[in-house]
Amino acid sequence: DTAVSQTPKYLVTQMGNDKSIKCEQNLGHDTMYWYKQDSKKFLKIMFSYNNKELIINETVPNRFSPKSPDKAHLNLHINSLELGDSAVYFCASSQDRGRGETQYFGPGTRLLVL
Amino acid sequence: AQSVTQLGSHVSVSEGALVLLRCNYSSSVPPYLFWYVQYPNQGLQLLLKYTSAATLVKGINGFEAEFKKSETSFHLTKPSAHMSDAAEYFCAVSVNNNNDMRFGAGTRLTVKP
Repeated sequence: DTAVSQTPKYLVTQMGNDKSIKCEQNLGHDTMYWYKQDSKKFLKIMFSYNNKELIINETVPNRFSPKSPDKAHLNLHINSLELGDSAVYFCASSQDRGRGETQYFGPGTRLLVL
Repeated sequence: AQSVTQLGSHVSVSEGALVLLRCNYSSSVPPYLFWYVQYPNQGLQLLLKYTSAATLVKGINGFEAEFKKSETSFHLTKPSAHMSDAAEYFCAVSVNNNNDMRFGAGTRLTVKP
């Protein structure tokens, strides 16, 4: 059973389009995250979400918006895609938001913007 | 600000040789430190984590790491490399009460036959 799953695995789209990436965790965790991994493998936190409280990394453009229909899901919606959005996006979850809680990662969504 | 630095973007060892991947941290408070492994085209998998319970932390797949406060280090070791260990390894620190993780730049481990 996959603990943290993401769909789609690959996403190829044109500049200017709007797209969504879905994330689901079946671990019963309270906190979920989105990370961006660039072409040099550098990982950066984008958002964390816990009990309907969203913490946004201030460097994330407002074209990115996380949406959580319930505790087990945290989807990422991206408006007006740009070439620089091409990256691998990882979803993660942890039991709660406490410092030091282990984060469990999904397999990633590879986004290519043409 | 808390951060980690991984020394060496690429490490190459022979099968059966010692693996040593270096990570140094910067933190004004006792850190929570992690090592993750990323196999090609996969997500990150936790190898081990340090939460101040013991300075020598044992993880999965024969890996271990030692927390050394005097050296601000948390190096990852494995006595004998296997071909299956070839992957990207990330050191990370939990930086705040939101559990935001700050990752190092990663070290790619190559294992030669």
